[in-house]
Amino acid sequence: AQSVTQPDIHITVSEGASLELRCNYSYGATPYLFWYVQSPGQGLQLLLKYFSGDTLVQGIKGFEAEFKRSQSSFNLRKPSVHWSDAAEYFCAVGAGTYDMRFGAGTRLTVKP
Amino acid sequence: SQTIHQWPATLVQPVGSPLSLECTVEGTSNPNLYWYRQAAGRGLQLLFYSVGIGQISSEVPQNLSASRPQDRQFILSSKKLLLSDSGFYLCAWTEGATGELFFGEGSRLTVL
Repeated sequence: AQSVTQPDIHITVSEGASLELRCNYSYGATPYLFWYVQSPGQGLQLLLKYFSGDTLVQGIKGFEAEFKRSQSSFNLRKPSVHWSDAAEYFCAVGAGTYDMRFGAGTRLTVKP
Repeated sequence: SQTIHQWPATLVQPVGSPLSLECTVEGTSNPNLYWYRQAAGRGLQLLFYSVGIGQISSEVPQNLSASRPQDRQFILSSKKLLLSDSGFYLCAWTEGATGELFFGEGSRLTVL
């Protein structure tokens, strides 16, 4: 069965600094990969997704992620973090419509 | 465009009382519908999913149940709540084979 690991529970970065959130997955084939963001008390919003093709995918709000098959990773990056990026971020892997697995999440704090 | 709504947004219930959370989707037909529970620091746990009216699949044994009385309506219920049922419940839908989920705003349940 597939699984997702987000090694960092909480990350703090200064506003304007770069950001990288780690995600490792376990799955037998190439899965569908997603990053979602959740503001406090809200639902989840899709940031970006990878299905196939170019391994570097661009998302909303200036985020990007790179799929590395050899490392089973799908790390999320942003070159310059804004205070409004403070939220919880979830990596997810899906093998199809009924089989989505989420990581435990990484909470991002942005220092002024 | 498609929208998804959940209610109530917040609910405080005593142990042993019943529960009913409702979710409706607009702007699409025959969606796949999902109920997730989010406990603090534990990511999202898939509780139920439905591919059509009256068709419910349960992922986790528990004292919760789900029903889909209409194409775009999904209900999460319990006859007797437990303390461990406290959490943030998210309804989601998808219509594609790739599993990209669209989430509602969530319902915060506190069982006292």
